[in-house]
Amino acid sequence: GQQLNQSPQSMFIQEGEDVSMNCTSSSIFNTWLWYKQDPGEGPVLLIALYKAGELTSNGRLTAQFGITRKDSFLNISASIPSDVGIYFCAGPAGGGADGLTFGKGTHLIIQP
Amino acid sequence: GAGVSQSPSNKVTEKGKDVELRCDPISGHTALYWYRQRLGQGLEFLIYFQGNSAPDKSGLPSDRFSAERTGESVSTLTIQRTQQEDSAVYLCASSLWTGLPQYFGPGTRLTVL
Repeated sequence: GQQLNQSPQSMFIQEGEDVSMNCTSSSIFNTWLWYKQDPGEGPVLLIALYKAGELTSNGRLTAQFGITRKDSFLNISASIPSDVGIYFCAGPAGGGADGLTFGKGTHLIIQP
Repeated sequence: GAGVSQSPSNKVTEKGKDVELRCDPISGHTALYWYRQRLGQGLEFLIYFQGNSAPDKSGLPSDRFSAERTGESVSTLTIQRTQQEDSAVYLCASSLWTGLPQYFGPGTRLTVL
């Protein structure tokens, strides 16, 4: 199956700062999804991207589907304490499988 | 309820025992997925159901793993003769149709002693 590489692995930032994280793949994706997972919970969908070049916002979150279709980024503006969690990118697993393939996540830690 | 529900929330079992994990998808969602998440890792796809079609079992790690779904309702993931490496959180997700974003349940944390 296809693999996704997320960076950075973890981020330590101050409250109020902007955050940027990205996800890359060696193969083309037709869909990019960004999820957030809190401890003890399942991932929650933040943003879905379906078209190369697409830029989509959801409140303070903005995500873009890279032109090459091999990358995507997620930005969070003016971070607040509840933004803490693990952010995963995901896309179709490919290779005939119907599920999603996930990156290993970016762990966001905010210092007040 | 409004979201995907899973039971039990936690399961501790002894090596070699069988376990059954349950998932109730969002009402009306035709697609249902099972994933495994090991500690500190992303999610690994296990199996997918779409309506009455044959399930996509391509992600199942061994023949000790199986899953069933009756129509477009509840699904059960069964792990036979559990091993310590099966310890993980097992997450279920559903979507209205194939290819649409998936919505996840809270997961079942399985610990094999």
